[in-house]
Amino acid sequence: KAGVTQTPRYLIKTRGQQVTLSCSPISGHRSVSWYQQTPGQGLQFLFEYFSETQRNKGNFPGRFSGRQFSNSRSEMNVSTLELGDSALYLCASSLGGGRDYEQYFGPGTRLTVT
Amino acid sequence: DAKTTQPPSMDCAEGRAANLPCNHSTISGNEYVYWYRQIHSQGPQYIIHGLKNNETNEMASLIITEDRKSSTLILPHATLRDTAVYYCIFLHGSGNTGKLIFGQGTTLQVKP
Repeated sequence: KAGVTQTPRYLIKTRGQQVTLSCSPISGHRSVSWYQQTPGQGLQFLFEYFSETQRNKGNFPGRFSGRQFSNSRSEMNVSTLELGDSALYLCASSLGGGRDYEQYFGPGTRLTVT
Repeated sequence: DAKTTQPPSMDCAEGRAANLPCNHSTISGNEYVYWYRQIHSQGPQYIIHGLKNNETNEMASLIITEDRKSSTLILPHATLRDTAVYYCIFLHGSGNTGKLIFGQGTTLQVKP
């Protein structure tokens, strides 16, 4: 079974631009969560989608948004990029997103904002 | 948010068992304890999870104390490839599905 895939793997953007990252979950998984990882803040939860609905949200500004499609693939968008948005963005998928389901992470997208 | 306490770093000799402790004194009765690890520059990898009973899989064993306030992850025969940051996590409260709260974790260094 193929793992979680994320595209692109690396991205360089300029301040003020916007960016869209993509995540394809493991086949059959309906929950997709997004995380941001920086050296200073560690791994932080952004949001979770299940059956095309945002079910949980972390403490990030509205510039960070996401969506999920009917095939469970998910995208996250960051508008008006800031230097501090430079990070590794990880997505994870699970069967149901409940408390008894493990999450499987993708390799991440490394975003650099200049 | 859910709070776990782990030592910041540990060393282990290759071939020996690595025992990684975690305190989670605020855990409630229906919260699972999860362990993940992250090898440098890769996405976190699920290891194991449990509720009350001890659990074992092909990667590790999880020992949960009877009062559930702490647990220990055991890698029975550590290899150099087990060098990673290990995170102990539990999902606190209702509605926090899909939301893992990562602390600083324990950096395990396996030495030859």
